[in-house]
Amino acid sequence: DAGVIQSPRHEVTEMGQEVTLRCKPISGHDYLFWYRQTMMRGLELLIYFNNNVPIDDSGMPEDRFSAKMPNASFSTLKIQPSEPRDSAVYFCASSLSAENNYEQYFGPGTRLTVT
Amino acid sequence: AQSVTQLGSHVSVSEGALVLLRCNYSSSVPPYLFWYVQYPNQGLQLLLKYTSAATLVKGINGFEAEFKKSETSFHLTKPSAHMSDAAEYFCAVSGPNFNKFYFGSGTKLNVKP
Repeated sequence: DAGVIQSPRHEVTEMGQEVTLRCKPISGHDYLFWYRQTMMRGLELLIYFNNNVPIDDSGMPEDRFSAKMPNASFSTLKIQPSEPRDSAVYFCASSLSAENNYEQYFGPGTRLTVT
Repeated sequence: AQSVTQLGSHVSVSEGALVLLRCNYSSSVPPYLFWYVQYPNQGLQLLLKYTSAATLVKGINGFEAEFKKSETSFHLTKPSAHMSDAAEYFCAVSGPNFNKFYFGSGTKLNVKP
């Protein structure tokens, strides 16, 4: 299995630009999570989906952030417009709820720098 | 409510010494507990998990953790540290539906030669 795939691995953009981060979960997993990691705030859950439906988006910092999951094998996290304080590493994770599993598998992350 | 406290943001041990990373949790339901490791510039990797079976859980790379309900703890240990263990370690507790995780702030382990 290829694991969780994220792209791009690095993104540098200017303030005000739109940024789109992409995630392909592990095949067959029914949960998908987006996290943000910074030195100041640690690891924060932004949003998660179950069977492509958003379940909890209470961690999304503001309306500039949006996430979609059009099908079971793809999700995007969009920031529009981006700001320097959005600079962070963004992780996608997926899990399988069946058989009392629940453990989350993380992707390698996207390091976002907004100048 | 669910939460995790990791005591000590930085822990330093000598190679060959015991590793002890502390995790205390708060949970409104019987918890599932997890330890993850993060190497520099990588994602988080599961070390071990407790899901209400045996209270002593063995994981990868020689790590183990013991669930102690009376102490609300799930400390991570390894008898003998190796240089390759240097990384950041995160403890997590699951929420009532078991799918949402609450992560601690992490503990960076430094291993001295």
